[in-house]
Amino acid sequence: GQSLEQPSEVTAVEGAIVQINCTYQTSGFYGLSWYQQHDGGAPTFLSYNALDGLEETGRFSSFLSRSDSYGYLLLQELQMKDSASYFCAVDSGYALNFGKGTSLLVTP
Amino acid sequence: DAGVTQSPTHLIKTRGQHVTLRCSPISGHKSVSWYQQVLGQGPQFIFQYYEKEERGRGNFPDRFSARQFPNYSSELNVNALLLGDSALYLCASSLSERDGYTFGSGTRLTVV
Repeated sequence: GQSLEQPSEVTAVEGAIVQINCTYQTSGFYGLSWYQQHDGGAPTFLSYNALDGLEETGRFSSFLSRSDSYGYLLLQELQMKDSASYFCAVDSGYALNFGKGTSLLVTP
Repeated sequence: DAGVTQSPTHLIKTRGQHVTLRCSPISGHKSVSWYQQVLGQGPQFIFQYYEKEERGRGNFPDRFSARQFPNYSSELNVNALLLGDSALYLCASSLSERDGYTFGSGTRLTVV
């Protein structure tokens, strides 16, 4: 089976840096993805890690340690528009298995 | 370029009825996946189709079925609707997992 753990809520100040952690247990692993979802909107793809290490895309970075079954999403220079839900998802080859999501609130 | 389009956007059905949801992937994407998202939870995988063949199926009852057409569009069918089927149904297409999935805006299904 699959299980993913991520914090349910995180609050941070505009301009700050925030890290959202994700631990997973899975029977099949091809990679770890991160998606952002605003209320009422569709999930949008942020990043994908298949190998250990850090991937950087603009203000967002994602890290993976396969030996620790652990990853994180790092958001820098937070903006108000970053307030949203963030999901980690394990790629099992043909399916994404999502965590329950982390609700990020960015305050002024 | 058009993204992933889904129809209808909202739907209200009665318990026991049947529903068909439709999805058109991004042009050039041959893979279509369906997900169910209930409020406060992450999307749950239902099906993936690639080149009209089912590649995978999630932990959903046989009341859920899907198919993919030669133009790569897809339909999700749900029979004998239950109140618990009320959710946002999301369709996604992709070139590859590394490129990420592009999700449509979803169909909000309410079963009363």
